[in-house]
Amino acid sequence: DTGVSQDPRHKITKRGQNVTFRCDPISEHNRLYWYRQTLGQGPEFLTYFQNEAQLEKSRLLSDRFSAERPKGSFSTLEIQRTEQGDSAMYLCASSLAGGLAGYNEQFFGPGTRLTVL
Amino acid sequence: AQTVTQSQPEMSVQEAETVTLSCTYDTSESDYYLFWYKQPPSRQMILVIRQEAYKQQNATENRFSVNFQKAAKSFSLKISDSQLGDAAMYFCAYRSGGGNQFYFGTGTSLTVIP
Repeated sequence: DTGVSQDPRHKITKRGQNVTFRCDPISEHNRLYWYRQTLGQGPEFLTYFQNEAQLEKSRLLSDRFSAERPKGSFSTLEIQRTEQGDSAMYLCASSLAGGLAGYNEQFFGPGTRLTVL
Repeated sequence: AQTVTQSQPEMSVQEAETVTLSCTYDTSESDYYLFWYKQPPSRQMILVIRQEAYKQQNATENRFSVNFQKAAKSFSLKISDSQLGDAAMYFCAYRSGGGNQFYFGTGTSLTVIP
């Protein structure tokens, strides 16, 4: 399977614990995005990388959130001291800059569903 | 920030019939792209169709077509000959020409009735 993959698919944690999610983009894609999706809502942008550089962060990305893409391939999203309000689906997407006539089409992974008890 | 509005939380259609999902957006930009994504239950989002704002011709992909009304800032999706596999959440999304963020609507849940 050459699509975007995410691990784990589900994570249940207790409030106050730290969690880390991983995203593996499509191999030739240089851009990687993180989104958060809560029930009944569309995905909300969190942050994006071009290669290993984190170029943009949403104000939704509080100090408890950190994302990395150390070698420009896979990415991790860590949430420290989780809160119940962090419960959501965390989606990763990747794209090829300048690809497909400028559409910058994003390909999404299956998401990691986080439940904070 | 741009806003994308999907005013129909739920829609239903009889199998083989046609259904239209609505989307409006708010922007002051002239260069942008619009997308419809499909999210089946417990499965990942996939792109259904896309439209460049500067193109007057409406995009078409097999049974899926759009009605892009730039002046009205409207971007509706028409699904013809609906199939059971079309049942999913459909999200309308906007991206500015020079930007990287996608702005999504709240989605429309489509049910296909056999």
